Amino acid sequence: DQQVKQNSPSLSVQEGRISILNCDYTNSMFDYFLWYKKYPAEGPTFLISISSIKDKNEDGRFTVFLNKSAKHLSLHIVPSQPGDSAVYFCAAYGNEKLTFGTGTRLTIIP
Amino acid sequence: DAGVIQSPRHEVTEMGQEVTLRCKPISGHNSLFWYRQTMMRGLELLIYFNNNVPIDDSGMPEDRFSAKMPNASFSTLKIQPSEPRDSAVYFCASSKTGGLGQPQHFGDGTRLSIL
Repeated sequence: DQQVKQNSPSLSVQEGRISILNCDYTNSMFDYFLWYKKYPAEGPTFLISISSIKDKNEDGRFTVFLNKSAKHLSLHIVPSQPGDSAVYFCAAYGNEKLTFGTGTRLTIIP
Repeated sequence: DAGVIQSPRHEVTEMGQEVTLRCKPISGHNSLFWYRQTMMRGLELLIYFNNNVPIDDSGMPEDRFSAKMPNASFSTLKIQPSEPRDSAVYFCASSKTGGLGQPQHFGDGTRLSIL
């Protein structure tokens, strides 16, 4: 039972354009969400998070949007840079459980 | 600052052997987490510790897996006996404050292959 889903395994975006990564969840007990970025042969790196009491959180080029009614969150990266090419994981926390999505591989095309 | 340090980076061993993975968390971090990543199941939490005490080990797949944290600067994940289906990348992570929802700092993982 995959409670956190990233339905797009991969995404290619032109450098300078906006990258939008999506994540859906099914458990309404989740109340905190995080995005991690992972380069090959390295561990995931924390990017940005959002609490369920907010619908938007911004940090530089990264913005996370949360739509609680749709149980959907998205990560926007603008403008996209070559160094953003990586696998992005969303994670959801609630009721003392942390669940990761399966990841989306983002490729930024120069 | 040194990040989370895992050893070994790669381990290849034969089925039935004991495997020990090691982790040194970031100094001052109170929580430590062990994860397993596979193609089929993605990133799964196996167990986590707060202040060296195991809090939730419900993700440990079976009794062949055990984890210890004898002090604040060291943890081990042991598999005995190992099986081919244990082949995966194992990550250790730490965080400054307790709780699964806090941002975690990951090590670079141990790639384990059981033949």
